[in-house]
Amino acid sequence: DTGVSQNPRHKITKRGQNVTFRCDPISEHNRLYWYRQTLGQGPEFLTYFQNEAQLEKSRLLSDRFSAERPKGSFSTLEIQRTEQGDSAMYLCASSHGQGVTGELFFGEGSRLTVL
Amino acid sequence: SQKIEQNSEALNIQEGKTATLTCNYTNYSPAYLQWYRQDPGRGPVFLLLIRENEKEKRKERLKVTFDTTLKQSLFHITASQPADSATYLCALGDTGRRALTFGSGTRLQVQP
Repeated sequence: DTGVSQNPRHKITKRGQNVTFRCDPISEHNRLYWYRQTLGQGPEFLTYFQNEAQLEKSRLLSDRFSAERPKGSFSTLEIQRTEQGDSAMYLCASSHGQGVTGELFFGEGSRLTVL
Repeated sequence: SQKIEQNSEALNIQEGKTATLTCNYTNYSPAYLQWYRQDPGRGPVFLLLIRENEKEKRKERLKVTFDTTLKQSLFHITASQPADSATYLCALGDTGRRALTFGSGTRLQVQP
């Protein structure tokens, strides 16, 4: 078990381009989360999956953002028509499905820079 | 609206001393609270969980308290070491939703 894996680790793109990030959670974890973090701030919740079902989305999540977890394993987060304000670290986390207080296991994040 | 406050100023202490970090919250009734450590450029790493019906939790040199009346959690690191230097995040959760809400974190710097 190698932990939560995120790719790419760094992405530089021009405004208006689309970007996609991938997250591979810990294999036995059925819960998967996407967070966004900017400098000096804590992680901000974006969306949550249990298996392949997207059960919660932040009200802050623009319709330019879409996430999928097609087979309940890896997940992708796509940002369309990127804006400079999208520049941030995008963190993926996974957790066990039992109980409600499970610790989150985070990946190392995908840093997005929009020029 | 829900608000979580952690001291935005860095905490500088001498090696061997006890570091105490504060997490205050308003307009929130969390069922549990977690503390995470984050190093620069890395993802957060889970440290401790405390539930609303628990007053205190310990793990090695770490201690967390949770006062639901004061709406505050304190995070202590005893016998601090330079390797403890990092940003520490508190995160609140409730039974109604799976997502944690994070504070902005406090940076701890332990001087040798």
